[in-house]
Amino acid sequence: EAGVTQFPSHSVIEKGQTVTLRCDPISGHDNLYWYRRVMGKEIKFLLHFVKESKQDESGMPNNRFLAERTGGTYSTLKVQPAELEDSGVYFCASSRAGATDTQYFGPGTRLTVL
Amino acid sequence: GESVGLHLPTLSVQEGDNSIINCAYSNSASDYFIWYKQESGKGPQFIIDIRSNMDKRQGQRVTVLLNKTVKHLSLQIAATQPGDSAVYFCAERVDSSYKLIFGSGTRLLVRP
Repeated sequence: EAGVTQFPSHSVIEKGQTVTLRCDPISGHDNLYWYRRVMGKEIKFLLHFVKESKQDESGMPNNRFLAERTGGTYSTLKVQPAELEDSGVYFCASSRAGATDTQYFGPGTRLTVL
Repeated sequence: GESVGLHLPTLSVQEGDNSIINCAYSNSASDYFIWYKQESGKGPQFIIDIRSNMDKRQGQRVTVLLNKTVKHLSLQIAATQPGDSAVYFCAERVDSSYKLIFGSGTRLLVRP
């Protein structure tokens, strides 16, 4: 079974530019999550999709971040415009239907905003 | 790697010894806890979980202990191996929600 994949693995952009991160969850997983770890901080929840619907967006920092999950399959997280404090590692995770089903994490996308 | 610039508490153990990694949580409504292992360049990898109605759960070479009275969680690794070197995170779930709240992590270094 293929794991969660994320693209790109690294992205370096300048402040004010736009970046789009992609996540492909494990096939058949209804739940998809985005988390991030900014420098010096713990991993923090951003949002949760159930299929194509946003279930919980409570962790999204501001309206520069937009997440979508087209057709309930892969998801994208767009940052526009990027700011310096957005630098960090963005993780995607997926799980089956239940709240205690294991969340499997992807390798992350390291975002550097210069 | 990802850990550049991060100041994580570090536990250094001799290969073959047992390791104990601790985690404190603050929310009394947390009902489910998980330990993740993160190796350099990889995402967090599930190790073991425990529900709040239990105080101990064992896996292969790992044991998780939960003390709800003092809101403390620990991960015990038996016969620590070099491949166990990683950053370990505890995570909790509050009030049956889906999102996980992570602790700050502990780096485990295994000396050969």
